[in-house]
Amino acid sequence: AQRVTQPEKLLSVFKGAPVELKCNYSYSGSPELFWYVQYSRQRLQLLLRHISRESIKGFTADLNKGETSFHLKKPFAQEEDSAMYYCALRDFGNEKLTFGTGTRLTIIP
Amino acid sequence: GAGVSQSPRYKVAKRGQDVALRCDPISGHVSLFWYQQALGQGPEFLTYFQNEAQLDKSGLPSDRFFAERPEGSVSTLKIQRTQQEDSAVYLCASSFLPGQDNEKLFFGSGTQLSVL
Repeated sequence: AQRVTQPEKLLSVFKGAPVELKCNYSYSGSPELFWYVQYSRQRLQLLLRHISRESIKGFTADLNKGETSFHLKKPFAQEEDSAMYYCALRDFGNEKLTFGTGTRLTIIP
Repeated sequence: GAGVSQSPRYKVAKRGQDVALRCDPISGHVSLFWYQQALGQGPEFLTYFQNEAQLDKSGLPSDRFFAERPEGSVSTLKIQRTQQEDSAVYLCASSFLPGQDNEKLFFGSGTQLSVL
């Protein structure tokens, strides 16, 4: 069964410092990996997906199949990055997402 | 429109009551999903519709849970004989076309169900 692990429930980082939110997965096939974000009093929304290889709001994530990881990184944290972040996995050919338990990121001014 | 709309926003039920949760997806969206999010957890998949067809209901925790989307638009998640463990936020999400590389999933604000 596929599984997504986010080992940190809480992460506090000073403004301007680098951010890394960890995500590991277990899956035997070719997964699609996503990061979703939920800002305070807002809906869950897509931040980025590994297929797009894009940088959104300064965040990037690289899929490392050898380490089965998809860590989210940003070189310089901003206060508006404070939010709940969820890593998610989708099996190719299947539509459902499997989410991790989430990491609450707090940026300290 | 305004995005995926869910109602009610909050629902308090006594144990044993039946509840019905509504989801109004973005107009024209083919795919519709229901997720359950318990406190401190990530969303967990319940069921998936493509238009009116329920293609995957593997996540429904028991036969007390039933979902429908009869006209391929609005969906209702019904929970019969609610139990305390059903307390959670129920999220609905929709997307335009399944299986596309640039497909984007849009979530509603959720219905917070509390079973007393």
